[in-house]
Amino acid sequence: DVKVTQSSRYLVKRTGEKVFLECVQDMDHENMFWYRQDPGLGLRLIYFSYDVKMKEKGDIPEGYSVSREKKERFSLILESASTNQTSMYLCASSLSVKDNQPQHFGDGTRLSIL
Amino acid sequence: AQKITQTQPGMFVQEKEAVTLDCTYDTSDQSYGLFWYKQPSSGEMIFLIYQGSYDEQNATEGRYSLNFQKARKSANLVISASQLGDSAMYFCAMREGLGDYKLSFGAGTTVTVRA
Repeated sequence: DVKVTQSSRYLVKRTGEKVFLECVQDMDHENMFWYRQDPGLGLRLIYFSYDVKMKEKGDIPEGYSVSREKKERFSLILESASTNQTSMYLCASSLSVKDNQPQHFGDGTRLSIL
Repeated sequence: AQKITQTQPGMFVQEKEAVTLDCTYDTSDQSYGLFWYKQPSSGEMIFLIYQGSYDEQNATEGRYSLNFQKARKSANLVISASQLGDSAMYFCAMREGLGDYKLSFGAGTTVTVRA
């Protein structure tokens, strides 16, 4: 069965800390994505990756970076956490073979920056 | 400009009745795909149904169907025979172009099913 695993369901960090959010998929998917979800705004794409070591900016990349050293793992990094990065973060993956392939999501990480 | 618009922030529906969730989209591409996802209070996003821009028939998956009106650029989700477990937030999303796997999401609609 399809599985996307995010390392933490809840995380509390302090302003200025470097924060790592980890995501692992076991489906051999080429594409991986990081979104943040805020009330009234839906999901907004932060970064995505089409292949190992490849990354592209999404709609709101400022203050974030990503790393994809292995196909199954996609990490989101908050270089210096700020309170406006308190949000729900969702990781997703998908196949590249067909356009109708849905993205499969992890359970999300609720991140609070104090 | 907003690519996906969901105008209903919240809706109530009686158990066993049908409910329609509105979604309009904006794209200049001829090839695109539309997806609906369900997000229960637990947080996971569950894929429900897909409609491709060249699909001639409206998509159906069990109790879910998609009312696709291409000229109006709308892709409304219909849930028939609502169940208490259908209470969740529902998101409409669009993929534009060929070979581009990014999705643009709407703001979501919260559905509450009443017994």
